[in-house]
Amino acid sequence: QSALTQPPSASGSPGQSVTISCTGTSGDVGGYKYVSWYQQHLGKAPKLMIYEVNKRPSGVPDRFSGSKSGNTASLTVSGLQAEDEADYFCVSYAGINDLIFGGGTKLTVL
Amino acid sequence: QVQLQESGPGLVTPSQTLSLTCTVSGASINSGGYYWSWIRQHPGRGLDWIGYIYYSGSAYYNPSLKSRITISLETSKNQFSLRVSSVTAADTAVYFCAGVRNWRFDYWGQGALVTVSS
Repeated sequence: QSALTQPPSASGSPGQSVTISCTGTSGDVGGYKYVSWYQQHLGKAPKLMIYEVNKRPSGVPDRFSGSKSGNTASLTVSGLQAEDEADYFCVSYAGINDLIFGGGTKLTVL
Repeated sequence: QVQLQESGPGLVTPSQTLSLTCTVSGASINSGGYYWSWIRQHPGRGLDWIGYIYYSGSAYYNPSLKSRITISLETSKNQFSLRVSSVTAADTAVYFCAGVRNWRFDYWGQGALVTVSS
């Protein structure tokens, strides 16, 4: 089982929008609605930002949004802020009680 | 508010067994609804899912680690545990415990660094 594919890095200036992709297969991302995204600041625990492709937990700013097309899910951060600089990774259900992680993307706010 | 906290030795000798415990507060691990899970993160790398256990005691493990992994419940203490046998340097990582619901990780512990070294 291979990890979901994410770009290793992404960047944008304050106020801009950045989109991070997460590519899998029809057996995971493309086959289920259970794609979630997490933010992880250095040395901290991950935080759930998006679940079920495009739902935001309470307390997550609406600058964070999710979508999916085919086997690729995406996380978009709009109106970038300095505190958005972190690692982001995706997770997808892969059937038969299995979960698969993305490799992670380091987001830099220029 | 649900909180999780990992505990256990930070240093393990090669070939020995790594043991970690996750203490859950704010929720009962006996009440259902959540899969109690372990994840690890190798230095400078992404996360790897180790496995999870349900309140019934049913457990599921990552096939790549299955032969060396045991996850168990200690319901009287509202804890669940991880054991990894025959460890090598490749098992050096930060280990997280987490609560999973509807295939998303709702709650995470702060993580515990475990180093495998003689």
